[in-house]
Amino acid sequence: EIVLTQSPATLSLSPGERATLSCRASQSVGSYLAWYQHKPGQAPRLLIYDTSNRATGIPARFSGSGSGTDFTLTISSLEPEDFAVYYCQQRHNWPPTFGQGTKLEIK
Amino acid sequence: QVQLQESGPGLVKPSETLSLTCSVSGGSISGYYWSWIRQPPGKGLEWIGYIYHSGSTNYSPSLKSRVTISVDTSKNEFSLKLSSVTAADTAVYYCARSLRGYSFGPFDYWGQGTLVTVSS
Repeated sequence: EIVLTQSPATLSLSPGERATLSCRASQSVGSYLAWYQHKPGQAPRLLIYDTSNRATGIPARFSGSGSGTDFTLTISSLEPEDFAVYYCQQRHNWPPTFGQGTKLEIK
Repeated sequence: QVQLQESGPGLVKPSETLSLTCSVSGGSISGYYWSWIRQPPGKGLEWIGYIYHSGSTNYSPSLKSRVTISVDTSKNEFSLKLSSVTAADTAVYYCARSLRGYSFGPFDYWGQGTLVTVSS
């Protein structure tokens, strides 16, 4: 199965700063990569699918890029509500797999 | 607004069967793939399997021998059974819907999750 490695494990930034989160796949996943935001006690929230498509209702400050094995989620200017754990997920190969997550915390 | 809600026992004894149900409200179960996903404490997310409204299923190879997912379209719900559980099956279990036209994700709606602990 495809292993997704997210980096960094923890990212400490301040509101207003730019956040760049990385997801690297053990083999190509084409463009079939999604990103989720997860806050404690809440349902995970789909942000980006198929590398760069924002899900319904997702603000424009969230963007995704990449292809093959290297992908990036960028949050252009952090809002207080953006501090959470972020996961990537591939659907290119069966079974679908998730990364271990990047915790975005307030500096 | 579609909402998913997991329900079932929070404590299961080793070697027994874990049973959970996901109730879907605000939308029909028809026309979508519905998955179970879990997250052991301190670990990442693991896809367990999916069911289509027609009843067709697909399971993770690592759990296939122990997993059954079923659907009840009349009740707008689907269920998970995981047999012969051990402590390694302790996790928060989520139900989730795939975006229309997709099967293995992306998952656009999720339940809030339910913690199931395997312990005697």
